Amino acid sequence: GDSVTQMEGPVTLSEEAFLTINCTYTATGYPSLFWYVQYPGEGLQLLLKATKADDKGSNKGFEATYRKETTSFHLEKGSVQVSDSAVYFCALSDRSYGKLTFGQGTILTVHP
Amino acid sequence: DTAVSQTPKYLVTQMGNDKSIKCEQNLGHDTMYWYKQDSKKFLKIMFSYNNKELIINETVPNRFSPKSPDKAHLNLHINSLELGDSAVYFCASSQVGKPEAFFGQGTRLTVV
Repeated sequence: GDSVTQMEGPVTLSEEAFLTINCTYTATGYPSLFWYVQYPGEGLQLLLKATKADDKGSNKGFEATYRKETTSFHLEKGSVQVSDSAVYFCALSDRSYGKLTFGQGTILTVHP
Repeated sequence: DTAVSQTPKYLVTQMGNDKSIKCEQNLGHDTMYWYKQDSKKFLKIMFSYNNKELIINETVPNRFSPKSPDKAHLNLHINSLELGDSAVYFCASSQVGKPEAFFGQGTRLTVV
């Protein structure tokens, strides 16, 4: 079955540091890939998406590129802020029914 | 206007009780989902409905019964609540042909 593996957390960074959260996947066919973010006490928000190989999703300074050859979708940001502190989830979508399979989540804490 | 709204946000109840969580979306989507987030933040799909028809039913105890009166609503009824049912339950919706799902704020269920 489909699966998503994320970098183990928690990740702690200083403000303005560079962020990478690794994500790899296993899927049949050609899934769409996503990063969702969950701020403390809130629901999940779609951060960015990519629907085919070599697509780059970007939003709020975050980027991720769909790499079919390495089955990866790593999340990056050049300069993190305290307000980026949250849990980040990598996910893939089953094209048949839209079912999302999530990674285990990575807790990011950014200190001033 | 909230796109996907769930009620209640918090639910504390005793073992053995029956409770319901309601979800409504005003995005005009035709597919709705229930996801469960456990204490380790892991998210897993429970059910999916497309135009009021059940299309995904993961391995979930029979005590959980979803009901979709129309394509804008998906409710979750839980009978004979157990301690292990304590979790955050998220409703989500999507549109066929568009892979991204939009989530509600979640319902934190605590069974005591």
